[in-house]
Amino acid sequence: GAGVSQTPSNKVTEKGKYVELRCDPISGHTALYWYRQSLGQGPEFLIYFQGTGAADDSGLPNDRFFAVRPEGSVSTLKIQRTERGDSAVYLCASSLRLAGGSDTQYFGPGTRLTVL
Amino acid sequence: AQKITQTQPGMFVQEKEAVTLDCTYDTSDPSYGLFWYKQPSSGEMIFLIYQGSYDQQNATEGRYSLNFQKARKSANLVISASQLGDSAMYFCAMKRYGNNRLAFGKGNQVVVIP
Repeated sequence: GAGVSQTPSNKVTEKGKYVELRCDPISGHTALYWYRQSLGQGPEFLIYFQGTGAADDSGLPNDRFFAVRPEGSVSTLKIQRTERGDSAVYLCASSLRLAGGSDTQYFGPGTRLTVL
Repeated sequence: AQKITQTQPGMFVQEKEAVTLDCTYDTSDPSYGLFWYKQPSSGEMIFLIYQGSYDQQNATEGRYSLNFQKARKSANLVISASQLGDSAMYFCAMKRYGNNRLAFGKGNQVVVIP
């Protein structure tokens, strides 16, 4: 079946602009995650959705970052007043949200955001 | 907080040979899961293998196996019979039971040479 898809694959914007990044999870996966990966680093957690609600948004760096998942499927990560430090690859993942520790997150190809 | 350490420098490995990637972790929680992901130059994170903290046996998945030493808090990945397509960054990650966020290490770079 289809994996996690993300659009756009690349986004170049100017400092101060607003951007939206989209994630379409694997069909049937109720859990959705956003991570940010800076150059030379591992991904860092941003936010987790269970269904339509943000169950854990403690990784969002500040109030310029916001994410929604209105129908429990597709999610949009929104960044206001972008800064050069926001430049990174934004990864989306989804999972079945199994109990215990074996719930595997499957990642999309990422959106590379460049803020000039 | 969970911390994952991957400190090996970039590694070159001969095709068809085995390679071991080191991962140590730090947590006070007894219930957790360990994951390895592969990230080729295309950027996608590809799930490879999972080990639960209560699993009695080391996980295996095709050419991938996990050398899990719970007392030492290490979860090394072994790739056997390396192939050119194994060239990538490899990330170790951990998640506590009941938690949702994966904590990742900085990754190990592997280059397979013919």
